[in-house]
Amino acid sequence: DGGITQSPKYLFRKEGQNVTLSCEQNLNHDAMYWYRQDPGQGLRLIYYSQIVNDFQKGDIAEGYSVSREKKESFPLTVTSAQKNPTAFYLCASSIVPFPTNEKLFFGSGTQLSVL
Amino acid sequence: AQSVTQLDSQVPVFEEAPVELRCNYSSSVSVYLFWYVQYPNQGLQLLLKYLSGSTLVESINGFEAEFNKSQTSFHLRKPSVHISDTAEYFCAVRGDFYGGSQGNLIFGKGTKLSVKP
Repeated sequence: DGGITQSPKYLFRKEGQNVTLSCEQNLNHDAMYWYRQDPGQGLRLIYYSQIVNDFQKGDIAEGYSVSREKKESFPLTVTSAQKNPTAFYLCASSIVPFPTNEKLFFGSGTQLSVL
Repeated sequence: AQSVTQLDSQVPVFEEAPVELRCNYSSSVSVYLFWYVQYPNQGLQLLLKYLSGSTLVESINGFEAEFNKSQTSFHLRKPSVHISDTAEYFCAVRGDFYGGSQGNLIFGKGTKLSVKP
């Protein structure tokens, strides 16, 4: 089945630690995105990538880093510089960047909590 | 910058009652509007979208939304809800390509629909 796989489902971070969230898609989509979801705040865009080896900052990129070495993979690293990392993180993809008539496909999310 | 406002953070209703989830957006030259649904502990799924043409759009599970340009609204409605409709619903607008959002989706803060028996 084609889709987006996020792992792990739950992740715990210690103070001063970097953690990496995995996102893999087998939909052959060019564009991939990372969103952060906080209760009552909706979704906010962290980073997005239109094509392999290219990515752009979204609205709240500070304290995060990404890479796009393969079309299928778009891992997100939450660095120690992110002072409030507890949130639900959603990865998404689309066939082309900025699709006007194509939907975003979302993974099932990773809940990150601070110990 | 474009924005989306969902006026109700929570909407409790009884099963088989009608429901309306409200969404207003800031105006732009081109308007592409979406409703996404998120079931507990899952990602978002596209429910319906307005790109052009008929202002009334429908989903396969009985929801509908009407694009109202004069009121800059895209409210979601269902005449009779089921327990299984309990979820969080997000309204979204595509941002202007040359604006700060660079063409990406701008989401509202969500409305939690809770259907009681």
